[in-house]
Amino acid sequence: DIQMTQSPSTLSASVGDRVTITCRASQSISSWLAWYQQKPGKAPKLLIYKASTLETGVPSRFSGSGSGTEFTLTISSLQADDFATYYCQQYNRDSRAFGQGTKVEIK
Amino acid sequence: EVHLVESGGGLVKPGGSLRLSCAASGFSFNSYSINWVRQAPGKGLEWVSSITSSGSYIYYADSMKGRFTISRDNARNSVYLQMHSLRAEDTAVYYCAKSGDYAFDYWGQGTLVTVSS
Repeated sequence: DIQMTQSPSTLSASVGDRVTITCRASQSISSWLAWYQQKPGKAPKLLIYKASTLETGVPSRFSGSGSGTEFTLTISSLQADDFATYYCQQYNRDSRAFGQGTKVEIK
Repeated sequence: EVHLVESGGGLVKPGGSLRLSCAASGFSFNSYSINWVRQAPGKGLEWVSSITSSGSYIYYADSMKGRFTISRDNARNSVYLQMHSLRAEDTAVYYCAKSGDYAFDYWGQGTLVTVSS
């Protein structure tokens, strides 16, 4: 099975900061990667699919990049509403594994 | 508007069985894959299983193979997850999610499964 590893596990940042989260796949997944945001007690929300395509309605401060085995999610200017946990997910072959998550906390 | 509503969760003893349901509306159900994802208390997301639109292809996470069975009834716009030999570590909120363009684009609110004696 393909394993997904996110870093860091926790990130402390302030409003207005540029934030980058990394996701690495144990083998190449081309561009079949998605990013989700989850707030406590809520279902996850899709942010980005195919590594860099922004889901409709998601603010443009979110962006994704990468291909193969290394991917990044960037928030260009962190807003109060963005404090949450972020997950990557691979969408390749017969598995849909998630990364372990990155919690973005208030500094 | 797309809606996914899970049901069937509850308290079950170790070794017991439970069947979860996911009722869908607001989209052409028989055209999309549906998935189950779970989240143990305080933990991350764990993909459980996926079923394609016609039910022809089914996938499971390795740790679920042999104990969990996914199925769908396109006439009822529903997907099911039959779970057997439940263990304490299966305690989680179970979400169903619709597949979109190579991602899970809509999610239900989840149903809690608690495995405890």
